[in-house]
This record gives sequence, C-alpha cells and structure tokens, in this order.
Amino acid sequence: GENVEQHPSTLSVQEGDSAVIKCTYSDSASNYFPWYKQELGKGPQLIIDIRSNVGEKKDQRIAVTLNKTAKHFSLHITETQPEDSAVYFCAASGGFKTIFGAGTRLFVKA
Amino acid sequence: EPEVTQTPSHQVTQMGQEVILRCVPISNHLYFYWYRQILGQKVEFLVSFYNNEISEKSEIFDDQFSVERPDGSNFTLKIRSTKLEDSAMYFCASKDRYTDTQYFGPGTRLTVL
Repeated sequence: GENVEQHPSTLSVQEGDSAVIKCTYSDSASNYFPWYKQELGKGPQLIIDIRSNVGEKKDQRIAVTLNKTAKHFSLHITETQPEDSAVYFCAASGGFKTIFGAGTRLFVKA
Repeated sequence: EPEVTQTPSHQVTQMGQEVILRCVPISNHLYFYWYRQILGQKVEFLVSFYNNEISEKSEIFDDQFSVERPDGSNFTLKIRSTKLEDSAMYFCASKDRYTDTQYFGPGTRLTVL
C-alpha cells in the first residue's frame, strides 16, 4: 500500500542553525506534498506545500524541494528559532487520499 | 479568518458504546476528511467525503465507522461500537474546490474505557 517514510524522527538544533527533514513516498500517483506543523494539543497546520510539477518552493525561512523521479521531498528551515520547536509531518496526496509521514520532533535550543 | 471547529474537545465513553464526533467545516468548502492520530503516532487518513458521498476510505474505516453531512454545516463521524483501540485524537479537515490545501480542526480526543 501507499507509504511515506520520514527522517529523522527527532532533530535537535541550535537557534540560528538550519534544520532539514526528509521524506520518501511510494505512490507514483501522488501529486501534492504538504508539510504540517503540529504544536502540543493542536491540529496540524499547513506551513508549506508543493505540487509535482514544481521542483522547489520557498516561503521566507522555509523551503521545500521535490525530486519526483526519486520520490523524495525535503523541508528546509533556515535561521531556526525556539518557536519553530514542534512536530513536523510531511504528507503525500493523490486524489482524495493523503498519507502522512511518522513525524519529526524538532527541538530548537536557545 | 474562517476555521474548522470540532465538538466535543474531549469525549470519554465506555467500550461498546456509540459515539458521534462533530465537525463544522469552513463554510464554502466542499471536500471533507476525517483523520485519526493515536497518541504519539502519525496522523492516519480515515475517509474523504465529497458531493454527499464517500470518495475514498482507508482500511481503518471499517463497518463500525460512518460519516454523514446531516445539514449544510455539520460533518459527523460515527463509531457504532467503540473499542479500546479507537482511543485517539480525531481530526476533521476541509478544503475548497480551487486548491489542495486542507484546513484541520483542533481535534476531538476520544477516550474509550
């Protein structure tokens, strides 16, 4: 069945450093790849997304890259801040179904 | 800014009981979803709903689950006979017809005793 692998499961960085989270998907029909941030006790909030016809997208300190051939996509956060600390989920969507990765718990140390 | 709302925020029930989780999607949205997240685990797709019918469902969404849009604003998830393993956060999401972005509600924590 469809699967999304996400690494690392935990990531600890110093404030100001960059953080990179990587995902791999299995379903070739996936054409939309959102990234969500989830804070404790809240629902996932979209932070950035990318469609399969685009290789890279940037929004201020956040960027996402997609390699459709290799079925890899990555989230890059630059100049990390303590408020970036949360769980981040990648997801792959095709049609009416969205499959999430297992999540990465990001700690940004001040 | 419009948002998805869910009630109740926490539901405690006895094993074997029926529960109904309620969601009010964003008003002009046409696509609706339910997800579940067992504590500390990933978000799992349950079902998508469009044009008053199920579009897709996962293997988790068995005969014990059903969804309904009883009126123009609510979207409900019913679990007929709850099991201990149904304990989880349940998230509703909705999206419009123009974009792929799903907006998630704050979730309902279901505890089955």
